[in-house]
Amino acid sequence: GENVGLHLPTLSVQEGDNSIINCAYSNSASDYFIWYKQESGKGPQFIIDIRSNMDKRQGQRVTVLLNKTVKHLSLQIAATQPGDSAVYFCAENFADNSGSARQLTFGSGTQLTVLP
Amino acid sequence: DGGITQSPKYLFRKEGQNVTLSCEQNLNHDAMYWYRQDPGQGLRLIYYSQIVNDFQKGDIAEGYSVSREKKESFPLTVTSAQKNPTAFYLCASSIVPGWNTEAFFGQGTRLTVV
Repeated sequence: GENVGLHLPTLSVQEGDNSIINCAYSNSASDYFIWYKQESGKGPQFIIDIRSNMDKRQGQRVTVLLNKTVKHLSLQIAATQPGDSAVYFCAENFADNSGSARQLTFGSGTQLTVLP
Repeated sequence: DGGITQSPKYLFRKEGQNVTLSCEQNLNHDAMYWYRQDPGQGLRLIYYSQIVNDFQKGDIAEGYSVSREKKESFPLTVTSAQKNPTAFYLCASSIVPGWNTEAFFGQGTRLTVV
């Protein structure tokens, strides 16, 4: 299944299929990106990160792709499992206008539901 | 164990009252953040702090105040000026500066105005 970002905040996939969650980030100065998973009533948990000098990074069952040209980030989950059901957020990290502090800004999130 | 702790988990406030949410971390992180999350929404930045005794406003700072007197503590006060305070509040911390700015989150405080 594939989500096209902020216009489709929910994504349903069959167990065992691959999932693709997309994110459009806002700041061209962002140089570090993170995907978080948030289960209901809990704080977000780190999944995977990527620096702006890379365009792909792989973890266990997850891959993050970065396209700086169009300011687009995606999270691919292989062989989606019921435990993957959660809200997924992308976050971008950049220096603020003062140049001395860094901000971490989140996208609106995508609800992933894994169907049996 | 190292981590970030928010308390209380649930908080009820009467209209017109100020309330303070606690956030403590023992990760020796320099940066700390407060976010607000409304149902079905993303995280919006309220305040952040890079070092002790310094903090900056985020996107929705109106009606909130913070302090950073100690490295490990970053309490958030929701004042009576915040007109719609009912939300889920998340505190986070991260190492600053550098590439490893992954943020670690607490489990959140759910604030309800009654």
